[in-house]
Amino acid sequence: GQQLNQSPQSMFIQEGEDVSMNCTSSSIFNTWLWYKQDPGEGPVLLIALYKAGELTSNGRLTAQFGITRKDSFLNISASIPSDVGIYFCAGRRFPSNTGKLIFGQGTTLQVKP
Amino acid sequence: DADVTQTPRNRITKTGKRIMLECSQTKGHDRMYWYRQDPGLGLQLIYYSFDVKDINKGEISDGYSVSRQAQAKFSLSLESAIPNQTALYFCATSDPPKRDRGVSEQFFGPGTRLTVL
Repeated sequence: GQQLNQSPQSMFIQEGEDVSMNCTSSSIFNTWLWYKQDPGEGPVLLIALYKAGELTSNGRLTAQFGITRKDSFLNISASIPSDVGIYFCAGRRFPSNTGKLIFGQGTTLQVKP
Repeated sequence: DADVTQTPRNRITKTGKRIMLECSQTKGHDRMYWYRQDPGLGLQLIYYSFDVKDINKGEISDGYSVSRQAQAKFSLSLESAIPNQTALYFCATSDPPKRDRGVSEQFFGPGTRLTVL
């Protein structure tokens, strides 16, 4: 079953606002990935994090690997209408000898122009 | 052309019918995956294959079977479809992870929307 809790489940914001979402687990993860799914398409990787405390940016997106290794955060600055979609966190649990990913439930983002 | 393709994109079927969803990739990846997406539940792993002779069950394999016909092809079958298998199904591919990485990026197909009446 699900081992990642992603919040919030949905957000409805005004264009230009900043967005924050997070993913938490009761288990330690050694990799965190953030994906975005546009309507009618498959998820696309936004940011990958491999070390505790790591902070990585991709344009207006910034993600952090929590120092406890049990959480991760994604921030979007100055949102625009094309940011609309579902954002998923995914991680690889420690220890694990496979490349399997566990996904969060997703955060649905809607942006009002 | 898309690197990971899925057919069909949409399918409506009846309870008890056998259904096959197909996935093809041109990325040259060894690893392929089948996921199911339900609203509010994210993506759940059904089956995965790390090479042509390797098949592994995921979290929710009951009621499903797979076939890895070639490196580039991985199909998902529902032997006797039931309504609670109505969902969006995604195929994904990846390379093996680099030595200092636990996982590598998974590339997803566009999805197949399956409705079982």
